[in-house]
Amino acid sequence: GENVEQHPSTLSVQEGDSAVIKCTYSDSASNYFPWYKQELGKRPQLIIDIRSNVGEKKDQRIAVTLNKTAKHFSLHITETQPEDSAVYFCAARGTGGYNKLIFGAGTRLAVHP
Amino acid sequence: DGGITQSPKYLFRKEGQNVTLSCEQNLNHDAMYWYRQDPGQGLRLIYYSQIVNDFQKGDIAEGYSVSREKKESFPLTVTSAQKNPTAFYLCASSIIQGAYNEQFFGPGTRLTVL
Repeated sequence: GENVEQHPSTLSVQEGDSAVIKCTYSDSASNYFPWYKQELGKRPQLIIDIRSNVGEKKDQRIAVTLNKTAKHFSLHITETQPEDSAVYFCAARGTGGYNKLIFGAGTRLAVHP
Repeated sequence: DGGITQSPKYLFRKEGQNVTLSCEQNLNHDAMYWYRQDPGQGLRLIYYSQIVNDFQKGDIAEGYSVSREKKESFPLTVTSAQKNPTAFYLCASSIIQGAYNEQFFGPGTRLTVL
C-alpha cells in the first residue's frame, strides 16, 4: 500500500545550525508533498509544499527538495532558532481521485540555545 | 482560532460508552477529514467526506462512525467497538478543486478512556 517513511524520528541541533529531515514515498504517482509543523499541543500547520513538477522550493529559512526518480523529498531548515522546535510531518498526496495525504511518522526537532 | 474548530478539547470516556467529537468549519470547504494521532506515529486517516451526505472510510475506520448532514459539520463518533480509542483526534478540511490542496487542521480533541 501507500507509505511514507520519515527520518530521523528525533533531531537535536544547536541554535544557528541547519536541520535536514528526509522522507521516502512509495507511490510513484504522488504529485504533491506538503510539510506540516506541529508545536506541542497545537494543530499541524502547513509550512511549505512542493509539487512534482518542481525540484526545489525555498521560503526564507526553509526549503524543500524533491527527487522523483529516487522517490524522496527533504526539508531543510537553515539558521535554526528555538522557535523551530516542534514535530515536523512530511506527507505525500496519494492517488485515488481525492485529496488523500499519506503522512510520515514525524520528526521531533529540538533546537538548543 | 477561527476557520475550523473542534470540541471538546479534552474528553474522558468510560469503557463501553460511545462519544461524539465535534468538528465545524466556516471556510466553505467541501472536503473534511478525520485523523487519529498516536505518539510516535503520523496522522492516520479515519474517514473523509467530499460532499454533504457522502463519506468514505479511511485506513482505520473500524470502531468509528461519521455523518455529514451539513457542509460545515463533520462529527465523529467513537463507538465502544473501538478497542483502543485513547488518542489525539484531528479534523481537517480542504477545497476539492485542483490537485494541490492544503488541508487546514482544527485544534484537536484529546480523548482518554478511563
